Amino acid sequence: QVQLVESGGGVVQPGGSLRLSCAASGFTFSSYDIHWVRQAPGKGLEWVAVISYDGSNKYFADSVRGRFTISRDNSKNTLYLQMNSLRAEDTAMYYCAKDSPGPHDSWGQGTLVTVSS
Amino acid sequence: QSVLTQPPSVSGAPGQRVTISCTGSSSNIGAGYDVHWYQQLPGTAPKLLIYVNNNRPSGVPDRFSGSKSGTSASLAITGLQAEDEADYYCQSYDNSLSGWVFGGGTKLTVL
Repeated sequence: QVQLVESGGGVVQPGGSLRLSCAASGFTFSSYDIHWVRQAPGKGLEWVAVISYDGSNKYFADSVRGRFTISRDNSKNTLYLQMNSLRAEDTAMYYCAKDSPGPHDSWGQGTLVTVSS
Repeated sequence: QSVLTQPPSVSGAPGQRVTISCTGSSSNIGAGYDVHWYQQLPGTAPKLLIYVNNNRPSGVPDRFSGSKSGTSASLAITGLQAEDEADYYCQSYDNSLSGWVFGGGTKLTVL
């Protein structure tokens, strides 16, 4: 079955950096676009970024453009989110989600990022 | 302020029917982009509930249904059950933002 497992979350100071990973299994990873979606504590879902199946196209929410980068290694079935210049408002649970295409039909369990001094 | 507007909360008694609205604009739902709905049970990751406006993934009960008209969409839940208590989110694509957008979420309480 499809499985997505995020890792790399933790506590980081404002202005710091963190790299999240999403390990995929149970499907042909190299055939699907993958998204990052975040959820601040007690808040709703916010789309963050998407990368196309081959890594050639990448799109970002205005709130993270220029600070976050998304990449993937299809040989390792792994997605990455490099987060730089982190702010308090980036504190959230970060989920990776598979594009079916269209809807996000599978989600990981999330990894928590806390930006605090 | 979310691009897609949902009521913060709805409630209903077991067995009743409730609807959750999702109001967008001409740059997202009104532009013809599909609407998807997700259910998030407490402490868990979101789960796809309705895709492409009115389709249910396998395993989702037919008590859940979706519709779309103009710049809005709706999720209907009939025969409410205690286990339906969750947060529900609509999602679409917005061409002015060049990205995917979610509604603010609706908390369903089963009385």
